[in-house]
Amino acid sequence: QVQLQESGPGLVKPSQTLSVTCTVSGGSIRSGGYYWSWIRQHPGKGLEWIGYISYSGSTDYNPSLKSRVSISLDTSKDQFSLKLSSVTAADTAVYYCAIMTTVTQTEYFLHWGQGTLVTVSS
Amino acid sequence: DIQMTQSPSSLSASVGDRVTITCRASQSISNYLNWYQQKPGKAPHLLIYAASSLQSGVPSRFSGSGSGTDFTLTISSLQPEDFATYYCQQSYSNLRTFGGGTKVEIK
Repeated sequence: QVQLQESGPGLVKPSQTLSVTCTVSGGSIRSGGYYWSWIRQHPGKGLEWIGYISYSGSTDYNPSLKSRVSISLDTSKDQFSLKLSSVTAADTAVYYCAIMTTVTQTEYFLHWGQGTLVTVSS
Repeated sequence: DIQMTQSPSSLSASVGDRVTITCRASQSISNYLNWYQQKPGKAPHLLIYAASSLQSGVPSRFSGSGSGTDFTLTISSLQPEDFATYYCQQSYSNLRTFGGGTKVEIK
């Protein structure tokens, strides 16, 4: 069973870059067929898809965040990371890493990390 | 963007009740619709994919139906562990979007 664990700073100052890392265990980030994804949830609100990176390195981002987002892979450590630049209080959220997979052309988020709360405040 | 609208936003029900949650897409999404359950302080958990396929390990009291723009999640007999928030999510568009959630509370 693949497990995901986020790690991050907890607190980021406005205008700085938020960085969160997801460590994969029980499987390899080199596995084909998985899309290594980030999703966030503002406090008390719904879910927002941020983007993903595939094993081959292709990425897809939410257009509303695309100018500020970067997702990368570190296959040597079985980790993938999210960077979100120029943050404001509106970026305060729980950040989840997740594995998106496909079956018969249907995509869904199969495995999730426990989430890490990142607060943007001076 | 494809907007996903869930109704109701919350409901109160008793153990043993049949519960139905609706999700409507702003355009046709065929059957590219998934359902998740989220408990307080926890990550969402996949229940149903492709509108009606039950994820492995999910109890059979959960079922999904629909196609096009209108979808439903049904819990045939609500159990104490089912009190949670439920989200639909479309994967028809590259911009994957979620519904606003339906909170199922104890009556």
